[in-house]
Amino acid sequence: DQQVKQNSPSLSVQEGRISILNCDYTNSMFDYFLWYKKYPAEGPTFLISISSIKDKNEDGRFTVFLNKSAKHLSLHIVPSQPGDSAVYFCASNAGGTSYGKLTFGQGTILTVHP
Amino acid sequence: GAVVSQHPSRVICKSGTSVKIECRSLDFQATTMFWYRQFPKKSLMLMATSNEGSKATYEQGVEKDKFLINHASLTLSTLTVTSAHPEDSSFYICSARGRDRVYEQYFGPGTRLTVT
Repeated sequence: DQQVKQNSPSLSVQEGRISILNCDYTNSMFDYFLWYKKYPAEGPTFLISISSIKDKNEDGRFTVFLNKSAKHLSLHIVPSQPGDSAVYFCASNAGGTSYGKLTFGQGTILTVHP
Repeated sequence: GAVVSQHPSRVICKSGTSVKIECRSLDFQATTMFWYRQFPKKSLMLMATSNEGSKATYEQGVEKDKFLINHASLTLSTLTVTSAHPEDSSFYICSARGRDRVYEQYFGPGTRLTVT
């Protein structure tokens, strides 16, 4: 049962354009969402997060949008740069007994072309 | 800040031997550490959660006698793969979480284990 889904395995974008990475979840108990960036043979790097009480969080070129009614979040990268090319994972956290544990999506490979 | 290291980065061992992987939080106290495994082209699979000074909590399907986890201090957790077999070959990643930003985990660079 995949509770966090990233339905696009890959995305290709031109440098300078916007990259939009999507993520859907099914568990209504999830109350905190994170995006991580990962290069091959390295651990994920934290990018940005959002609490379920918000619908938008912005940090520099990265903005995360949360639509709770649709159980959907997205990561916008503007402008995209070749160095952004990596695998992006969304992750969700639920409270209660799952407090602190993250559930990851399958990842989306972003390629930014010069 | 929030730097997590892992050692070794890469290890090759023979079937039947045991391998220890260390995870250290370098600039913060990690009250909780997590161990993940990543299969090729797959997501990160949580194996276990360990709190400093307590026994680790293993996810369903993860053999606790095979994957021994020790979290003896606020900066160090170890994962020992006992009696390794080729199917244990994988990329193992740890993460650490501090007291204040409890939702955010900071990941180590990972360890590539190859069992021959």
